Amino acid sequence: AQTVTQSQPEMSVQEAETVTLSCTYDTSESDYYLFWYKQPPSRQMILVIRQEAYKQQNATENRFSVNFQKAAKSFSLKISDSQLGDAAMYFCAYRSAYGGGADGLTFGKGTHLIIQP
Amino acid sequence: DTAVSQTPKYLVTQMGNDKSIKCEQNLGHDTMYWYKQDSKKFLKIMFSYNNKELIINETVPNRFSPKSPDKAHLNLHINSLELGDSAVYFCASSRGTTYEDEQYFGPGTRLTVT
Repeated sequence: AQTVTQSQPEMSVQEAETVTLSCTYDTSESDYYLFWYKQPPSRQMILVIRQEAYKQQNATENRFSVNFQKAAKSFSLKISDSQLGDAAMYFCAYRSAYGGGADGLTFGKGTHLIIQP
Repeated sequence: DTAVSQTPKYLVTQMGNDKSIKCEQNLGHDTMYWYKQDSKKFLKIMFSYNNKELIINETVPNRFSPKSPDKAHLNLHINSLELGDSAVYFCASSRGTTYEDEQYFGPGTRLTVT
């Protein structure tokens, strides 16, 4: 079974600065998808960015980018120019390509991101 | 328009009761899911349904039963509620069953069992 580990329960960053959230995962599969979800206090789960394992190029979405290191099984999220609205829980998630059906996401335990004004 | 909706958003009930949480998606998706988020914010898949067929069922007590009257709905029934069932339950949907299909989440239902 796959596991996802987020080693930082909480991170704090000054507004306008850059922060990197860590995620590692364990799998024996060669193809899969990785995701970062944001959960603000409203509780809504919002997809931030995703990366397909066989694509070497790191995904970017505006101020959000990932550093995907397949051999190291690492998938970190970089948030540039942090804004107050970025304050939330961030979850790293894994989805297998070999489930043969509607596999759900395997989540890490989350990182609580605090933005200091 | 809300893509994935859940009712109710908050549910407080006593141990031993039976309750249901409803989920509806208006995205025309084929697959729906239920996740449980515990008090430590850990999210775990419970069920998924594709074309009315249960695809996966993680180690969830059989007191929990998903019911799908049609492709747009996946309701969660819980019998004989226990204190440990207190959590936030999220419904989600995706277009298909391939792994690149993005999952869209509902707003969650906070269940409190007293």
